[in-house]
Amino acid sequence: AQKVTQAQTEISVVEKEDVTLDCVYETRDTTYYLFWYKQPPSGELVFLIRRNSFDEQNEISGRYSWNFQKSTSSFNFTITASQVVDSAVYFCALTPKAGAGSYQLTFGKGTKLSVIP
Amino acid sequence: DSGVTQTPKHLITATGQRVTLRCSPRSGDLSVYWYQQSLDQGLQFLIQYYNGEERAKGNILERFSAQQFPDLHSELNLSSLELGDSALYFCASSVASDSGNTIYFGEGSWLTVV
Repeated sequence: AQKVTQAQTEISVVEKEDVTLDCVYETRDTTYYLFWYKQPPSGELVFLIRRNSFDEQNEISGRYSWNFQKSTSSFNFTITASQVVDSAVYFCALTPKAGAGSYQLTFGKGTKLSVIP
Repeated sequence: DSGVTQTPKHLITATGQRVTLRCSPRSGDLSVYWYQQSLDQGLQFLIQYYNGEERAKGNILERFSAQQFPDLHSELNLSSLELGDSALYFCASSVASDSGNTIYFGEGSWLTVV
């Protein structure tokens, strides 16, 4: 069975602060994929990143960066210089590469980020 | 805009009724997924279709059914609705059926059962 834990239910930061959203996962699969999605107040789920389990390189995209550490089963997401538009619920998700369940994303409960102007 | 189109965006219906949610995947995507997001259960996978055939089933109730048509659009049918079925229903699509393909979500259909 797979599990994704986002221990931070809600985070509030002041605009321009950096913030890190934690994601810890459990899986017995040796190869898998990890995702982050953003859900703004309007409700849609916006894809942010996909990471293969065999690629532990960190990734940076503008103000967003992701730190993948297989040794600790973590895939954390950092927003640098946060902005009010970053206010949303962020979901981490996992899917195995193959076998049962490989077609479905297992989501964490999400972290609600509020950026205060 | 993800390219996945869902209708209707909002729906209010009474208990015991039946509704149909419609989804058009991104152009070129053969795989369609349905997810349910509720306050107590979070985001849960319901079912996946690939090129018209059911590929995987998740926590989908027997009162719910889905299909994917030859033009690749999909419908999720919810019947004998209960208050607990109130949720945000997402359709998503990807190019193929393999895991690891990026799955793009639509804006969701808000269903309220009263």
